[in-house]
Amino acid sequence: GQQLNQSPQSMFIQEGEDVSMNCTSSSIFNTWLWYKQEPGEGPVLLIALYKAGELTSNGRLTAQFGITRKDSFLNISASIPSDVGIYFCAGPLSGNTGKLIFGQGTTLQVKP
Amino acid sequence: DVKVTQSSRYLVKRTGEKVFLECVQDMDHENMFWYRQDPGLGLRLIYFSYDVKMKEKGDIPEGYSVSREKKERFSLILESASTNQTSMYLCASSFSRTSGAYNEQFFGPGTRLTVL
Repeated sequence: GQQLNQSPQSMFIQEGEDVSMNCTSSSIFNTWLWYKQEPGEGPVLLIALYKAGELTSNGRLTAQFGITRKDSFLNISASIPSDVGIYFCAGPLSGNTGKLIFGQGTTLQVKP
Repeated sequence: DVKVTQSSRYLVKRTGEKVFLECVQDMDHENMFWYRQDPGLGLRLIYFSYDVKMKEKGDIPEGYSVSREKKERFSLILESASTNQTSMYLCASSFSRTSGAYNEQFFGPGTRLTVL
C-alpha cells in the first residue's frame, strides 16, 4: 500500500537556525500538504502544493513539491521558540476518496 | 477561515459508558473525518463521511460508530468505552463544492479522552 516516510523523526536546534525536513512516497502524489501540530492541539494546515516543482512560502516556511512527484520538502528559516511542534506531511490516498495518508511526523524542539 | 469545533477538549469516562464526541464545521464541507492519535502510531482514520447520512469505515472502526444527520455535524460514538480507547480524538473536514480544494483537511482542536 501507499506509504509516506518522513525524516528526520526529531530535531533539536538552536533558535535562529534553519530547519529542513522531507517526505518521500512510494507512489506519485498530485497534492502535498504540510501540517503543524502544537502540543495538545489539532494539526493546522501550513502549506498546500498542487504542482510538481512548485515552491510555496508561508512566512518563514517554504515547501516544495518534488519534480518526481514522490517527495516534498519543508524548510523553516531563522527558527524561533514558537516553531516547536510536530510537522506532518500528507498526501491523498489513491482513488480520489478525499482520504489522506500522513507521514509519521518530525518533532521540532527549539532551544532559546 | 475554516472553523472546526469539538464539543470537549478533555473528557474522563468510565469503562462501559457510552461516549459521544461531537464535531461541527462551519464551511459547508462535504467530507468529515474522525481520527485517533496515539504516540508512535500517528493519525489513524476511524470513520469518514462524504455526505449527510453516508459513512464509511476507516482503518480502525471497531468499537466505534458515527452519525451524520446534518451536513455540519459529525458525531463519534463509543458504544461501550474501554481503557484501550483512551486517546486523542481529532475531527477534520474538507471540500467545499465552491472552493474545489478537495484534499485539504482542516482539523478541530482535539478531544483528549481518558477511560478509567
